[in-house]
Amino acid sequence: AQSVTQLGSHVSVSEGALVLLRCNYSSSVPPYLFWYVQYPNQGLQLLLKYTSAATLVKGINGFEAEFKKSETSFHLTKPSAHMSDAAEYFCAVSDVGAGGTSYGKLTFGQGTILTVHP
Amino acid sequence: DGGITQSPKYLFRKEGQNVTLSCEQNLNHDAMYWYRQDPGQGLRLIYYSQIVNDFQKGDIAEGYSVSREKKESFPLTVTSAQKNPTAFYLCASSAAGTQYFGPGTRLTVL
Repeated sequence: AQSVTQLGSHVSVSEGALVLLRCNYSSSVPPYLFWYVQYPNQGLQLLLKYTSAATLVKGINGFEAEFKKSETSFHLTKPSAHMSDAAEYFCAVSDVGAGGTSYGKLTFGQGTILTVHP
Repeated sequence: DGGITQSPKYLFRKEGQNVTLSCEQNLNHDAMYWYRQDPGQGLRLIYYSQIVNDFQKGDIAEGYSVSREKKESFPLTVTSAQKNPTAFYLCASSAAGTQYFGPGTRLTVL
């Protein structure tokens, strides 16, 4: 069974500082990996996804993530935090079939709440 | 505009009543999903459907029911058998392995 672990349920940074949100996964085959962002009382918005192409994935709002197979990690980073980045972030993994296509079901981590201080 | 709509945004019901949450998409996606979100627990899959007239239980299906009569619609009924129904409910649809989410419905059972 697949699983996702997000290290740190709360992360606090100062405006302009580096943002690093950690995600480790377990999967028997190379998975698809996703980062989503959720603002209060809203749905989830896709930030970026890894689907076995380039290991460094760039997303919206200046975020990027690097797939490291040896470390089974997919950490999310942003060089300079902005107040508008304050939200909850979810890492997710999708099971993938023999043909390399996703079955579509996602397993989510517990989420990390990012706080940005002025 | 293409997207996923959920209605209502807020829903209040008395204990023991069944309630149906609406989810509609005009993205022409085959697969649709329902999740429940509780603070600190991430998202948990309730039901999913990969094609019209077919659906499967997720991890926490007890006390819930769904139907998939049309490609665009995947309503979720929270029955009186669900012991703790107060939560935020999210609907999603997917294409090419990527899920896209609706705005959610917050259900409060009084």
